Amino acid sequence: EVQLVESGGGLVKPGGSLRLSCVVSGFTFRSYSMNWVRQAPGKGLEWVSFISSDSSDIYYSDSVKGRFTISRDNAKNSLYLQMNSLRAEDTAVYYCARVLGRSGLSVYWGQGTLVTVSS
Amino acid sequence: QSVLTQPPSVSAAPGQKVTISCSGSSSNVEINSVFWYQQLPGTAPKLLIYDNNKRPSGIPDRFSGSKSGTSATLGITGLQTGDEADYYCGTWDNSLSGVVFGGGTKLTVL
Repeated sequence: EVQLVESGGGLVKPGGSLRLSCVVSGFTFRSYSMNWVRQAPGKGLEWVSFISSDSSDIYYSDSVKGRFTISRDNAKNSLYLQMNSLRAEDTAVYYCARVLGRSGLSVYWGQGTLVTVSS
Repeated sequence: QSVLTQPPSVSAAPGQKVTISCSGSSSNVEINSVFWYQQLPGTAPKLLIYDNNKRPSGIPDRFSGSKSGTSATLGITGLQTGDEADYYCGTWDNSLSGVVFGGGTKLTVL
C-alpha cells in the first residue's frame, strides 16, 4: 500500500523558518518524481514545488521561489521542504504527492501537515 | 486568479448527470495531460482521472474525462449524495514550468 506521511508543520512567526518532511512507503521512492502542493484554509489547491527522481530537475512556483527549497533523500525514502522567510500567506495545509511518470501531476497524496504563520 | 478556469459551483439531482469544465491555454491544457481530483471535506485530494480520460483502479465508470483543444471536461453520471465534494482540474504548464490547477468546483447533489 502506498503511504505518504508528512510532518513538521506548526505555528511559526512571520519571517521564521520551518522544515517539512514526507516519509513514504509502499513503492520504490527513488524511481518517482514528487510534488509539494498546498491549500490555504478555505481555498483551492496551489502547486508549490516539483523534484525529479534523481533531483536533477527542480521547479518552484513564483510565490515561493527564493524562499523555499525542495530536496529528497532516496536512501531514507524522504522528501523535504525547507521554508524560509515565511509569510502569513504561506499558511496552508501542505501535501506531499507522488508524480505520475513525466506528467508532473500527482497520483498519491499524503494527509497533509498544517503550517500556520502568525505573530 | 487560477491559470485554469472552472465554474465555482454546479448542482444536480441524485441520479442525474453533471459536467465540469476546465478552460486553459495553448501552454497547458492543449498540449499536456489533464488530471481531475475529488476532494471531500477535510480530506486530501483523490485522483479521479489522469491523462485526460483514464480512470485509476477503483474509480467507477460514472466518472469520465475528455479534452478538446484548450478545454477539458469532467463528467459524472448517476449522481450520488456521496459525490458532493470539490473537484479540481490540473495540468503542467510549459510556459510556467510548473503544475497549474483550476480554482475548484463545488458539486452539490440536491
